[in-house]
Amino acid sequence: EVQLVESGGGLVKPGGSLRLSCAASGFTFSSYSMNWVRQAPGKGLEWVSSISSSSSYIYYADSVKGRFTISRDNAKNSLYLQMNSLRAEDTAVYYCARGQTYYYGSGSMRGYYFDYWGQGTLVTVSS
Amino acid sequence: SYVLTQPPSVSVAPGQTARITCGGNNIGSKSVHWYQQKPGQAPVLVVYDDSDRPSGIPERFSGSNSGNTATLTISRVEAGDEADYYCQVWDSSSDHQGVFGTGTKVTVL
Repeated sequence: EVQLVESGGGLVKPGGSLRLSCAASGFTFSSYSMNWVRQAPGKGLEWVSSISSSSSYIYYADSVKGRFTISRDNAKNSLYLQMNSLRAEDTAVYYCARGQTYYYGSGSMRGYYFDYWGQGTLVTVSS
Repeated sequence: SYVLTQPPSVSVAPGQTARITCGGNNIGSKSVHWYQQKPGQAPVLVVYDDSDRPSGIPERFSGSNSGNTATLTISRVEAGDEADYYCQVWDSSSDHQGVFGTGTKVTVL
């Protein structure tokens, strides 16, 4: 059974930092892209960042580029999100999600969708 | 950046058909994926690649995509289908980025 368990959320002051973790089990972690998606209170889903299986390709939403860093440790079956310079608008539940990659006929990557999700960890940025 | 627009709400009686649209510029050229989210729960993938269903998702859930509109159709709606639904694409036109729709609340009357 695929399991994704996020941790590391909490209350942090504006300008502060936080590191989220996602522990994966029940599948071959090193074979899948991994992703972070967030949801502000009462709002919709917002894609945050993605990392390919071997960390060769990393993508960020414009809203977090330059402040957040995604990484993974395939030996530990773990995904991370280092969040710096946090703002009030970063307040959200952060979900870890396994990615499925799909391709153009030429073999180049066309995109990801998210087939399994964790239960999320709440990050609150407030003074 | 690429924008996906969904109606805020759809209401449907039990046993009827709910259709949720997702509008985007030439979305028919992209693969569209749909997620169901019930209150206090994580999202669940219900349709991927426009019209494929993950194992365990009822055949009542189907999808289509053409032109500027993708559609998630829920046939024979049940009370348990009441949830928020989000469409999603991957925008590889410039920077690779994931994009979610604005979300639609489905209410079963």
